[in-house]
Amino acid sequence: GQQLNQSPQSMFIQEGEDVSMNCTSSSIFNTWLWYKQDPGEGPVLLIALYKAGELTSNGRLTAQFGITRKDSFLNISASIPSDVGIYFCAGQLWGAGGTSYGKLTFGQGTILTVHP
Amino acid sequence: GAGVSQTPSNKVTEKGKYVELRCDPISGHTALYWYRQSLGQGPEFLIYFQGTGAADDSGLPNDRFFAVRPEGSVSTLKIQRTERGDSAVYLCASSLTRDSDTQYFGPGTRLTVL
Repeated sequence: GQQLNQSPQSMFIQEGEDVSMNCTSSSIFNTWLWYKQDPGEGPVLLIALYKAGELTSNGRLTAQFGITRKDSFLNISASIPSDVGIYFCAGQLWGAGGTSYGKLTFGQGTILTVHP
Repeated sequence: GAGVSQTPSNKVTEKGKYVELRCDPISGHTALYWYRQSLGQGPEFLIYFQGTGAADDSGLPNDRFFAVRPEGSVSTLKIQRTERGDSAVYLCASSLTRDSDTQYFGPGTRLTVL
């Protein structure tokens, strides 16, 4: 099935550094989401973006919805050890009249390792 | 409050056997989704229910896979004649309404087919 192109595949950084990851698609989405998954757990929503060009922050996390509706990025500032995990972007397409089709299309994930 | 729960957490079966995976969504959530996550990949959509009916089953890989939600709450994903390629983590998610973007995921069932 379709998956979004997410990069980088993995990152090894020092505590305190900033992190940036991005996601691209060949097709348009009208909602972009970023999730974090810890081992043995399901994905947990971090940030949701609803409008092209939108820039949204949640604590140390900042995400943007690309103007073309085909890309998004996530930044994490001043990383800490508990940021370790796998980060996924996901796109969702809304139908006519604002009715969501429901299903999410995910990227392959970015594995983040933070060295203390 | 209770989140999405899935049972069993792990299931090991032999090729050719039948398995059932259960999902208990958050109480009051009308929409329920099943995803499959292979090692090193993101989750892939399988099916979603609005109430008791399957509104979109376009992600089911073949007719060995079937899911039900008879009373609009608990859902069961059923896999017949399992194959080694079915080995994956099966994730369930629920959301308040079909239009809600916030899908709350369960911890998943890790299925291993020997």
